[in-house]
Amino acid sequence: DIVMTQGALPNPVPSGESASITCQSSKSLLYSDGKTYLNWYLQRPGQSPQLLIYWMSTRASGVSDRFSGSGSGTDFTLKISRVEAEDVGVYYCQQFLEFPLTFGSGTKLEIK
Amino acid sequence: EVQLVESGGGLVKPGSSLKLSCVASGFTFSSYGMHWIRQAPKKGLEWIALIYYDSSNKYYADSVKGRFTISRDNSKNTLYLEMNSLRSEDTAMYYCALTDYYYWGQGVMVTVSS
Repeated sequence: DIVMTQGALPNPVPSGESASITCQSSKSLLYSDGKTYLNWYLQRPGQSPQLLIYWMSTRASGVSDRFSGSGSGTDFTLKISRVEAEDVGVYYCQQFLEFPLTFGSGTKLEIK
Repeated sequence: EVQLVESGGGLVKPGSSLKLSCVASGFTFSSYGMHWIRQAPKKGLEWIALIYYDSSNKYYADSVKGRFTISRDNSKNTLYLEMNSLRSEDTAMYYCALTDYYYWGQGVMVTVSS
């Protein structure tokens, strides 16, 4: 199975500052079609997960441009610019290259 | 508007069975594969099953293989998860989601306890 390892944030993050969340996969998620099979989600307290980024760097419909994804085949970063109160929650990375689909353990974001 | 509404959860004893449903609306259900994903209390997300749009392929996590069965009825716009031999570690919120990962249901809670 592909293991997804997420880094922690130095919480709380001051409002208006930037925050970067890291995710590492145990196998390259870059496929021969040139796409990287990685998603990012935000799960706000008491809510279902919300897709933020797919194919490593493409923002989902309706997602603020304060969110951006980048990375290589095995190392990924979700950057949140100018954090706001509504960004509070747990962020997950997920690989969908192969079964079983696997998620990182989550990174909690708190705002000061 | 796309909607996914799960139902069928509840409190059951270890070893028992339960069948979850996910009713879809607002899109052409028969054109999309569907996932079940669960989340144990205070824990992270765990993918457990996928079914293709036409039921031609099904995939499972090892943790549920042989005990859970994913199925669908395209005439009823409904996805199912039949859960047998339930264990305490199956206690979780169960979500259905489209294969585009954009749309998720609100989840249904399953508690397995004696």
